[in-house]
Amino acid sequence: EDQVTQSPEALRLQEGESSSLNCSYTVSGLRGLFWYRQDPGKGPEFLFTLYSAGEEKEKERLKATLTKKESFLHITAPKPEDSATYLCAVQASNYQLIWGAGTKLIIKP
Amino acid sequence: DAGITQSPRYKITETGRQVTLMCHQTWSHSYMFWYRQDLGHGLRLIYYSAAADITDKGEVPDGYVVSRSKTENFPLTLESATRSQTSVYFCATADAGGSTEAFFGQGTRLTVV
Repeated sequence: EDQVTQSPEALRLQEGESSSLNCSYTVSGLRGLFWYRQDPGKGPEFLFTLYSAGEEKEKERLKATLTKKESFLHITAPKPEDSATYLCAVQASNYQLIWGAGTKLIIKP
Repeated sequence: DAGITQSPRYKITETGRQVTLMCHQTWSHSYMFWYRQDLGHGLRLIYYSAAADITDKGEVPDGYVVSRSKTENFPLTLESATRSQTSVYFCATADAGGSTEAFFGQGTRLTVV
């Protein structure tokens, strides 16, 4: 069964304290792995797409990496405005997206 | 130019009533999707549409009906609302069905009492 698990469920960091969020997956025929950011009361906002193991993408303080079993979203020297819920989704061979439950990230000043 | 607009933002309805959630896009994207988001769960796909007059079921379609007579509109109807349909509903669009980013609306918070 296709499945996506994100960990931890919640993460509290001090401003400037780097860390990583995990997205582990089992899927038949991975077509792509997506990272989204969701702010309270808003819809998810696209961050990255990764297509194959070894691929990396960066945007400001965020860097996403992909292996055959998991993806990491590395956050370097985070700021309070990085506080949000980060969602991971994988696209299976049937093109449908399977979403993880998200990691709620809180950055304290 | 809002891109994708959902209405209403908040709705309270009674069990057994029919309710329609609206979704409108200004981009002319081919694909439109309806998701529900519940605490502790990932987004779950209800229905999607690849083009006008083409719709298909997602993971959790029971109790919902969709239509897409025009490219820009994709309403979701709950035929007879149940408490288990209390959720936040998101509409999304994409210009292709493959590995491409989706654009989400602000969501509709629906409470069924």
